[in-house]
Amino acid sequence: QVQLQESGPGLVKPSETLSLTCTVSGGSVSSGSYHWSWIRQPPGKGLEWIGYIYYSGSTNYNPSLKSRVTISVDTSKNQFSLKLSSVTAADTAVYYCARAEYYGGNSHHIDYWGQGTLVTVSS
Amino acid sequence: SSELTQDPAVSVALGQTVRITCQGDSLRSYYTSWYQQKPGQAPVLVIYGENNRPSGIPDRFSGSSSGNTASLTITGAQAEDEADYYCNSRDSSGNHYVFGTGTKVTVL
Repeated sequence: QVQLQESGPGLVKPSETLSLTCTVSGGSVSSGSYHWSWIRQPPGKGLEWIGYIYYSGSTNYNPSLKSRVTISVDTSKNQFSLKLSSVTAADTAVYYCARAEYYGGNSHHIDYWGQGTLVTVSS
Repeated sequence: SSELTQDPAVSVALGQTVRITCQGDSLRSYYTSWYQQKPGQAPVLVIYGENNRPSGIPDRFSGSSSGNTASLTITGAQAEDEADYYCNSRDSSGNHYVFGTGTKVTVL
């Protein structure tokens, strides 16, 4: 059973960089056919896909966040990480790490999610 | 704003059938997956691909698609099905994942 666990500060000051790490157990970030993803959900609002990384290091980001987002992977620690720069109150959200399985060129689904971690942007 | 549109809320009587829809141009080319989210919990995958259910998901959940609209149907809704439901697929470019706006299902 694959498990994902987010970790990082729960409070970040405006204009600073939000940094989170996702530790994967029961599976390997080096496995093919998976996109290791970050997704967020502002309080009381819907889900927003932030981006994903493949084990090779190739990335894909939400165009609306692309200028501020960096996702990286550390295969030796079986972890992947999110950095979001120049944060504002609008970045306050529950941040989820997740595994997306993709296949056939036109299909994917997110089969495992972390429990989520609330990050508040406030001075 | 999301490229996948869902009705904000629907209600269904206990034991009856409810259909939740997700509309977007990209759905003509890409499959949709569906997620159930209860308050304070992470989303859970309920339907993916043509009409596949992960292990442990009741068979009252089913999926279908036609043109630019994907649907999730709950046949014989139970009290525990009360939750928010989100669709997920690709955006119109096909290059990025995108979530629908979400539908709150109330079981009466």
